[in-house]
Amino acid sequence: GAVVSQHPSRVICKSGTSVKIECRSLDFQATTMFWYRQFPKQSLMLMATSNEGSKATYEQGVEKDKFLINHASLTLSTLTVTSAHPEDSSFYICSARKTGTELYFGPGTRLTVT
Amino acid sequence: KNEVEQSPQNLTAQEGEFITINCSYSVGISALHWLQQHPGGGIVSLFMLSSGKKKHGRLIATINIQEKHSSLHITASHPRDSAVYICAVRSDSNTGNQFYFGTGTSLTVIP
Repeated sequence: GAVVSQHPSRVICKSGTSVKIECRSLDFQATTMFWYRQFPKQSLMLMATSNEGSKATYEQGVEKDKFLINHASLTLSTLTVTSAHPEDSSFYICSARKTGTELYFGPGTRLTVT
Repeated sequence: KNEVEQSPQNLTAQEGEFITINCSYSVGISALHWLQQHPGGGIVSLFMLSSGKKKHGRLIATINIQEKHSSLHITASHPRDSAVYICAVRSDSNTGNQFYFGTGTSLTVIP
C-alpha cells in the first residue's frame, strides 16, 4: 500500500526557534497534502490543505504566518512552526491524497517546545 | 453537536472477544476513514470506505450510506489491538476539502 513518511518523528526545540517538519509520499505523487494537529487526549484537527505549486489553504483560527506550509513537489510538503512557543507543543500529522478519495496518513511528529 | 460521533468512548475487552466500534456522521461524505492510533501517537490508516464492506485480516469495516453509519469490527481481539480508533469523514461539500474527526474510541484488550 501507499506509504507516507514524516521527519522527524520527535523534536524538542527551545522557545523562539523554528522547526520544520517534512511529509513525504514515498511511492506515489500527491497533489494534495493535509496537515493536522492533535492535542493530548483529543482528536485530530485539520490545520491546512496544501496543494502542489500553490499557496496552502488554512482552516479558520490557524495562523498562516506561524505555520508555514510549502508543497514544493508532488512528494514533499513541509510545515514550519515559526517562533515556537510551549503552547505549540503538540502532535503534528500529515496525510497525502493519492487519487480521488484515497488518503494516506503519516505516522506523526511529536513537537515539544521548552 | 459534532459532525462525527463515535461510540463507545472507551472499551475494555478480554482477549478473543469480538469488538464493534460505531461511527455516525451527519454530513454528506465522499469517503470515510478508520484510523488506528497507538499509545506513542503513530497513526495507521486501516480502511477507506465509500460503500459496502472491507476486510483486512481480523478487521472488518462496513458503511451504510443511507443511515450515515459505519462500524469497525475486530474479530478474535488481541492485546496488540489496544489503541485508539478514530473515525474520520471527508465531506462532499462544494466549498472544498472538509474533514471531520470523531473523538476516538480507546480500546484495551486484556490478556
